[in-house]
Amino acid sequence: DSGVTQTPKHLITATGQRVTLRCSPRSGDLSVYWYQQSLDQGLQFLIQYYNGEERAKGNILERFSAQQFPDLHSELNLSSLELGDSALYFCASSDTGEGAMNTEAFFGQGTRLTVV
Amino acid sequence: LAKTTQPISMDSYEGQEVNITCSHNNIATNDYITWYQQFPSQGPRFIIQGYKTKVTNEVASLFIPADRKSSTLSLPRVSLSDTAVYYCLVGDGATNKLIFGTGTLLAVQP
Repeated sequence: DSGVTQTPKHLITATGQRVTLRCSPRSGDLSVYWYQQSLDQGLQFLIQYYNGEERAKGNILERFSAQQFPDLHSELNLSSLELGDSALYFCASSDTGEGAMNTEAFFGQGTRLTVV
Repeated sequence: LAKTTQPISMDSYEGQEVNITCSHNNIATNDYITWYQQFPSQGPRFIIQGYKTKVTNEVASLFIPADRKSSTLSLPRVSLSDTAVYYCLVGDGATNKLIFGTGTLLAVQP
């Protein structure tokens, strides 16, 4: 158990809909990262938050947004869903704002999103 | 942003030592080298991290030559349960991104 909790574990929704994925980081970790993993794209970095502020942005679509709340949990919002958005979405946390380059990042078990 | 290059796949047998090499020619002075392991449908798991020379923990060793342009993850006496994808990451402290490459799929056979 990494200590990072993601909900829900599975989500099935229709095209055009909007969903929210939730991540609770490990206790004490200030950084949260979001990733998308699909079969043909590998593990894609989406966005990072540190203590409530956006710190780094990757290949995140405009239809996607995220935020980190004062209690440090984070939510990833996906809207106008398309079939191609079907993927595993992972959240990770670490205890530094300098990325996880000199420390360890802990990953949750992911949310499997299926868009039909 | 330092890019990494790893073999796409490797095969091994139980009990053998496996060495996976990662190239990172553009590594910056402040960058660390980190390896993660990922099983299907699970989140990546930290294996080991180093800056230079050699680092060893209970599951692996990491060898980094003086020029730091490559690194080698060494897994001693692999078992079937070590079948997974192994990712090499190089730190990018300036942009705070945790970027994964394509990884190496290690297949361990009996």
